[in-house]
Amino acid sequence: AQTVTQSQPEMSVQEAETVTLSCTYDTSESDYYLFWYKQPPSRQMILVIRQEAYKQQNATENRFSVNFQKAAKSFSLKISDSQLGDAAMYFCAYRAIIQGAQKLVFGQGTRLTINP
Amino acid sequence: SQTIHQWPATLVQPVGSPLSLECTVEGTSNPNLYWYRQAAGRGLQLLFYSVGIGQISSEVPQNLSASRPQDRQFILSSKKLLLSDSGFYLCAWSEWGRSTDTQYFGPGTRLTVL
Repeated sequence: AQTVTQSQPEMSVQEAETVTLSCTYDTSESDYYLFWYKQPPSRQMILVIRQEAYKQQNATENRFSVNFQKAAKSFSLKISDSQLGDAAMYFCAYRAIIQGAQKLVFGQGTRLTINP
Repeated sequence: SQTIHQWPATLVQPVGSPLSLECTVEGTSNPNLYWYRQAAGRGLQLLFYSVGIGQISSEVPQNLSASRPQDRQFILSSKKLLLSDSGFYLCAWSEWGRSTDTQYFGPGTRLTVL
């Protein structure tokens, strides 16, 4: 079974600096998708970025980028120029396909605090 | 554009009472639909998913059930709530047949069972 591990329950960073959130996963599949979701205090899950495993190029969305290491099964999220609005829980997720439907397996989350 | 609604936003129910949470999606047809539960300070656990009307798959045996009476409507129910049913319930959708597509989440329902 696929598992996702986020080893950092909490992280903090100074505003305008860079922070990296870690995620590792376990799978026997060769083609899959990985996601980072953000959950602010409102608790709505918001997609931050996604990575397709067959693509070697790391995904980037504005200030958010990933470091995808397929052999190491590692998928870290880098947030550059941190802003106060980035404060949230961040969840790493792996997408499995079961009977034609997607199943997202989530890590336990990392709580990110931005210090002004 | 597509939107997803959940209601109620907050619910406080006594142990042993019934439950009905509703999720609807607008702006798409035949979506895949999902119910997740999030315990306090934890990640999300998939409860049910549906690839079409009347088609429900359960991930975890428990006190809850799900139904999909219409294409874009997904309902989470219980006949008798337990204290352990407390949590934050999220509905999500993804585009049918697109294995690469992302799941998009609703605003959630906070359920407290007393």
